[in-house]
Amino acid sequence: ETGVTQSPTHLIKTRGQQVTLRCSSQSGHNTVSWYQQALGQGPQFIFQYYREEENGRGNFPPRFSGLQFPNYSSELNVNALELDDSALYLCASSSRTGWEGAFFGQGTRLTVV
Amino acid sequence: KQEVTQIPAALSVPEGENLVLNCSFTDSAIYNLQWFRQDPGKGLTSLLLIQSSQREQTSGRLNASLDKSSGRSTLYIAASQPGDSATYLCAVRDAGNMLTFGGGTRLMVKP
Repeated sequence: ETGVTQSPTHLIKTRGQQVTLRCSSQSGHNTVSWYQQALGQGPQFIFQYYREEENGRGNFPPRFSGLQFPNYSSELNVNALELDDSALYLCASSSRTGWEGAFFGQGTRLTVV
Repeated sequence: KQEVTQIPAALSVPEGENLVLNCSFTDSAIYNLQWFRQDPGKGLTSLLLIQSSQREQTSGRLNASLDKSSGRSTLYIAASQPGDSATYLCAVRDAGNMLTFGGGTRLMVKP
């Protein structure tokens, strides 16, 4: 158990809808990163939040957005869902430097139909 | 742009074999390297973390090595067991604390 929790575990949405995924970071960690993992592939970096501000972003369009709250928990929002957004979304908790490594939650499986 | 490759993509071995999983990366300016295990449909479980200044790390039957100058890491699993069946992912961390993952090695250990 990593102490990183994500909700919900599974979600089915219709193309064009919006979705919000949530993540609670491990105690003592102030940095949260989000990754998208398509079936059969390695995770791809979406963005990272540190002290409530976006602190790095991968090659994802602006309809992927996020928030971090004062307790370091985080949300990932995706607008105008597309079929290709179907994936496992992973949240990782770490210190600012990542010296101790990243600790992942169990993921949210999003299916867009 | 960092690229991480894992070979082989899939591996099937009989129980008891020792095996080596390979990970290569194109940019040697890494902060550290982490090996993860992923069971089907689940999140990632951290196995071993190697800092850029280290050569290897060990945990039980697992040993990971790092050769930063050549852009390579290996994960050695001794005396494999059916419970080791999973996907193994390596990831390198840059100075911005972003992880770049390989595509993974799907391991099946047959009883």
